[in-house]
Amino acid sequence: ETGVTQSPTHLIKTRGQQVTLRCSSQSGHNTVSWYQQALGQGPQFIFQYYREEENGRGNFPPRFSGLQFPNYSSELNVNALELDDSALYLCASSVRTGRNTEAFFGQGTRLTVV
Amino acid sequence: GENVEQHPSTLSVQEGDSAVIKCTYSDSASNYFPWYKQELGKGPQLIIDIRSNVGEKKDQRIAVTLNKTAKHFSLHITETQPEDSAVYFCAPPPGGTSYGKLTFGQGTILTVHP
Repeated sequence: ETGVTQSPTHLIKTRGQQVTLRCSSQSGHNTVSWYQQALGQGPQFIFQYYREEENGRGNFPPRFSGLQFPNYSSELNVNALELDDSALYLCASSVRTGRNTEAFFGQGTRLTVV
Repeated sequence: GENVEQHPSTLSVQEGDSAVIKCTYSDSASNYFPWYKQELGKGPQLIIDIRSNVGEKKDQRIAVTLNKTAKHFSLHITETQPEDSAVYFCAPPPGGTSYGKLTFGQGTILTVHP
């Protein structure tokens, strides 16, 4: 177990709806990153939060947004859902120390858009 | 950004054989080279990583070698066991201050036959 928990584990939404996914970081970790993993592909970086501020973003439109809370937990929000948003969404927590360190992943949230 | 290519996409070996997966990256400033293992229904888990000041690192049956000049690094698994069957990803973040912003390869499906 990595100590990173995500909820819910599975979710079905209708095209055009909005969704919020949640992530609880491992204790002591101040950085959370979100990834989208389509079936049969590697995870793609969506964005990262460090000390409650967005700290880098991948090639995703603005309808993907997030938050990080003072306890370092995080949310991923997706507006105006599209069929192509169907994927496994992963969050990863890490400690920012001035160099790259291990990222600990949760088990993911499987989102299906119909 | 970082371009990452991973080969082969699938690898099938007999129990006890060795397996080698190669990852090529594009950013010459990259300085951190991790390998992740993802089992069905789980998030990726770090199995070994190496930094740019080291050419090789070994942890029991798993090793990683780095060739910075050629911009590639490889995962070596010796004495493979059925429980090594999984999808393996290299995920080097771009150089600079890109802490934790991993760029995943497309993955290698390793199957170890008993």
